[in-house]
Amino acid sequence: QVQLVQSGAEVKMTGSSVKVSCKASGGTFTMYGVNWVRQAPGQGLEWMGGIIPFFRSTNYAQKFKGRVSITTDAATSTAYMELRSLRSEDTAIFYCATVDSWGQGTLVTVSS
Amino acid sequence: DIVLTQTPLSLSVTPGQPASISCKSSQSLLHTDGKTYLYWYLQKPGQSPQVLIYEASTRFSGVPDRFRGSGSGTDFTLTISRVEAEDVGIYYCMQNLHLPPGTWTFGQGTKVEI
Repeated sequence: QVQLVQSGAEVKMTGSSVKVSCKASGGTFTMYGVNWVRQAPGQGLEWMGGIIPFFRSTNYAQKFKGRVSITTDAATSTAYMELRSLRSEDTAIFYCATVDSWGQGTLVTVSS
Repeated sequence: DIVLTQTPLSLSVTPGQPASISCKSSQSLLHTDGKTYLYWYLQKPGQSPQVLIYEASTRFSGVPDRFRGSGSGTDFTLTISRVEAEDVGIYYCMQNLHLPPGTWTFGQGTKVEI
């Protein structure tokens, strides 16, 4: 079971971008991929998108298309999620996840 | 898009008693490969979600056998045979039928309290 470790909390201004990293250890997500999930304060889980490097395949939730990019770096077994044009409603914990392993979450706070 | 509907949204349980959560899908989660792509997760307070059940009915490694997943097609149930204090949290069902990398959809979550 791969272990996923995410980058630390971020505070961003409205309109800016954030890039969160997710490093895999004890395995890779090359074949099975990694997904990103958003959880706003007190709310449920919301899928943002996913990538399977082996198939060079990426898929995004309609809600985030055009504003999110998910990439991987095979050399470092690291996945990245970049979210652009941040607004206050994007304040949330962002998780990277495979079906059986989740990162610890990264809190992104967006303020004006 | 596939929609997952969980009921109830909250559940107050007595330790030692059973509990059940339903998850209904707007379309069948049975793939042509014969697998059913329905998962159950528990998010304990202040923690990341952890997988309990995959492919509708298989317990993940290390998950106590008091957790049981059942169902097929569009109707699924997570049953806890005897609730323990450590089982409190929010339970989510999730589907990822369309591979790869597919789309994940979560149910609204069911909050379980003692």
